[in-house]
Amino acid sequence: GAGVSQSPSNKVTEKGKDVELRCDPISGHTALYWYRQSLGQGLEFLIYFQGNSAPDKSGLPSDRFSAERTGGSVSTLTIQRTQQEDSAVYLCASSLLRGKPQHFGDGTRLSIL
Amino acid sequence: AQKITQTQPGMFVQEKEAVTLDCTYDTSDPSYGLFWYKQPSSGEMIFLIYQGSYDQQNATEGRYSLNFQKARKSANLVISASQLGDSAMYFCAMMEYGNKLVFGAGTILRVKS
Repeated sequence: GAGVSQSPSNKVTEKGKDVELRCDPISGHTALYWYRQSLGQGLEFLIYFQGNSAPDKSGLPSDRFSAERTGGSVSTLTIQRTQQEDSAVYLCASSLLRGKPQHFGDGTRLSIL
Repeated sequence: AQKITQTQPGMFVQEKEAVTLDCTYDTSDPSYGLFWYKQPSSGEMIFLIYQGSYDQQNATEGRYSLNFQKARKSANLVISASQLGDSAMYFCAMMEYGNKLVFGAGTILRVKS
């Protein structure tokens, strides 16, 4: 497809389990971003990739959160030992170049029971 | 201090009329970008319009225009000839230092027939 693809679209898991969220950016987009949207906190930046490196990880809320990007394309956001406060919609975005408009995927709705 | 302020939690507009959604920002980066995104109830984030801090003219994209007043640090979105499909949440966002978007709290727009 032409847009940013995220999977799964919905994920329900038990507290304490690990989860992996996947993002497939628009082909040719060098910059990739992860955001989180929750009722209480609005839209928050998590991490930014330029190619395979992550020059800005400042938004990751704890060391339970990690992300990687391989081949300058697909990215995986991993949350270990999930907590109920991790429940949110996780949005991935990509842009052709740093600083250019970001295009978002449909998000993964994560629910921690 | 809030980086992006959207003072209107909710707005109503009559179909076919114009509406202005307010956004003010705060940054010390001389090179920044301002963005507006639309989020319908289905959840996807749709990029609408972009204004660079050095752009001399206000950005326009179809029925969307951005009223950029740099000295006042405001970047209001104007939607002309409102349509029922414009009903959504609208987010103003700023990119500073070329890395990440910082979002406002959003404005819910309802178009009345």
